[in-house]
Amino acid sequence: DTGVSQDPRHKITKRGQNVTFRCDPISEHNRLYWYRQTLGQGPEFLTYFQNEAQLEKSRLLSDRFSAERPKGSFSTLEIQRTEQGDSAMYLCASSSTDLPTFGSGTRLTVV
Amino acid sequence: AQTVTQSQPEMSVQEAETVTLSCTYDTSESNYYLFWYKQPPSRQMILVIRQEAYKQQNATENRFSVNFQKAAKSFSLKISDSQLGDTAMYFCAFLKAAGNKLTFGGGTRVLVKP
Repeated sequence: DTGVSQDPRHKITKRGQNVTFRCDPISEHNRLYWYRQTLGQGPEFLTYFQNEAQLEKSRLLSDRFSAERPKGSFSTLEIQRTEQGDSAMYLCASSSTDLPTFGSGTRLTVV
Repeated sequence: AQTVTQSQPEMSVQEAETVTLSCTYDTSESNYYLFWYKQPPSRQMILVIRQEAYKQQNATENRFSVNFQKAAKSFSLKISDSQLGDTAMYFCAFLKAAGNKLTFGGGTRVLVKP
């Protein structure tokens, strides 16, 4: 286990479809974060887990977005009824203290 | 709420020369951390350097160093002896002490020319 793993790397979906992304953090990390990065911008915080508890959610996380971390290990981010504005890179990060390590992201394109 | 501003969308530098990236931030917090991340085309955000706000000494990591001016809320990154592999997007980021989320600037694209 050498880093944060995200799957898939790329996802193209039609508008209105649901998509789910997976993040496997570094195994000893109890904190997990999701960020969204649109083209040419810096990442924006979406949500944060400590173990299995979702402790913080950004207002960017609309009703169509849901994130889970059922056993305090991997996490999923689901987007329902995708819209073109959801097209972005979705980055996962994990940490045990204050310094998150990022994965390579899932790039979502909604057509 | 914190804000982070990077005023230079793009910078180019000749190989072996020095480039400085600017970053300013706004916060009412007294204890926080500042970071520079590198994002190459491979997309993974890689930590370049970090600075604790309570430390007066500027952080240095090999060819990378920062100029941290707490009163001015400024945190610039200097890349010395630039290498082709330094070509990437660079993001300045803020994290308040005991906080859970990074606040990023908009990024600066650095192009190192041979």
